[in-house]
Order: sequence, then C-alpha cells, then structure tokens
Amino acid sequence: DAKTTQPNSMESNEEEPVHLPCNHSTISGTDYIHWYRQLPSQGPEYVIHGLTSNVNNRMASLAIAEDRKSSTLILHRATLRDAAVYYCILRDLNNYGQNFVFGPGTRLSVLP
Amino acid sequence: KAGVTQTPRYLIKTRGQQVTLSCSPISGHRSVSWYQQTPGQGLQFLFEYFSETQRNKGNFPGRFSGRQFSNSRSEMNVSTLELGDSALYLCASSLNDRVDYGYTFGSGTRLTVV
Repeated sequence: DAKTTQPNSMESNEEEPVHLPCNHSTISGTDYIHWYRQLPSQGPEYVIHGLTSNVNNRMASLAIAEDRKSSTLILHRATLRDAAVYYCILRDLNNYGQNFVFGPGTRLSVLP
Repeated sequence: KAGVTQTPRYLIKTRGQQVTLSCSPISGHRSVSWYQQTPGQGLQFLFEYFSETQRNKGNFPGRFSGRQFSNSRSEMNVSTLELGDSALYLCASSLNDRVDYGYTFGSGTRLTVV
C-alpha cells in the first residue's frame, strides 16, 4: 500500500477553520483517499473519502490536489469535540481486503 | 440504527490463557475487520472477513485467529496470551469489501494480560 505522511500534531482555535494536510506522493491511480478520526477512548470514526474530485459532507471537506500527491481535510469551524487523532489512509481499488494501513496520524488540539 | 457492538468492553486475563472477543456488525454489513491498537505500534490490521471467508491477514502470529458466522457476527481468538497482547482490539464493519465504502468501528475491547 502506498504510504501517507501527516504532521504529528496541529492546534486550532475553536470556531476557526482547520486544514489538515496529507502527503501521498506515491499514490496510484486506483487509490482512494480516506480520512478517519479517533476521539479519546473511542474507535476510529469515518470522516470522508474521495478519489479525484473534491468532496463535501456534513462533517468536513476533502480537497485533493490536481496531481493527487496531496490532500487536505478541512473542518470548516472547529469545535472542542473535533479534538482527535486524524488519519489519512490510501485504499487501493484493486485491493479487496479491509487492511487499512494506519500511520501515526495528526493529533488535533482545539483551544477554547 | 445500532452501531458495531463489541463484547466484552474490558477483559483481564492471565498470561498463558486464551481469550475470545466478539463483534456484531451493523445489520446488513457483510465485511468485518479486526485491528489491534497499542501505544507503541498504533493501529495494526489483524484480519478481514467477508461472507464467512478470511480475505486478508495481517502480520500476526498464528495465536491470533478469527472467524465469521453466517449472520456476519465475528469472533477473534488469541491463544497462549502474552503480556504484549495487552491492547485495545477494534472491530470494523462495512456493507461490502469495496474500498470506496466507509467503515464503522466499534468502541473496542480493552484486553489486559497480567
């Protein structure tokens, strides 16, 4: 599986937008970009995923670079409940298994 | 609708014993995966089942095994427990095994081996 690189930690102020970057320079044409987050004492939670086009849902937006070598998860207005570890993961369309390869992720702190 | 249910939530076992953990996926979900999470190694994939068949297995010793039943419920078993098996064990389910679907994780079973 192609690898991703994320900053270890980031800070944001409450009610401000947050941009969480992810680099995936070895991404293949069939890799989907998935984002999950893990709140304290909980299992990971699906946030969003995309292939080529930018994606929006009720939780966040995913901006994918034109060359697909990087992506950014955007939380439009951070709340204290958004404090979590955010994981950027690539999933190969040709890989039918569920073996997500989780990196260390980005620990997001939200300041009141 | 009900989420992914893992039982028990907490478990304390003695080194050398064996343990069975249970996962009930979301109704209608046919794919179940298991992960181990430790502070040192993070989240690591154990295995994945789809329609009662193991599709993928992570790099864990044979002491770790699992199975899936016809109702998609899954169990994982760890035999001859070691101290290093202390971890949070997470189960995730999805409607199918397509990579363009999201997965729902349970809250996990916290296993402590003493």
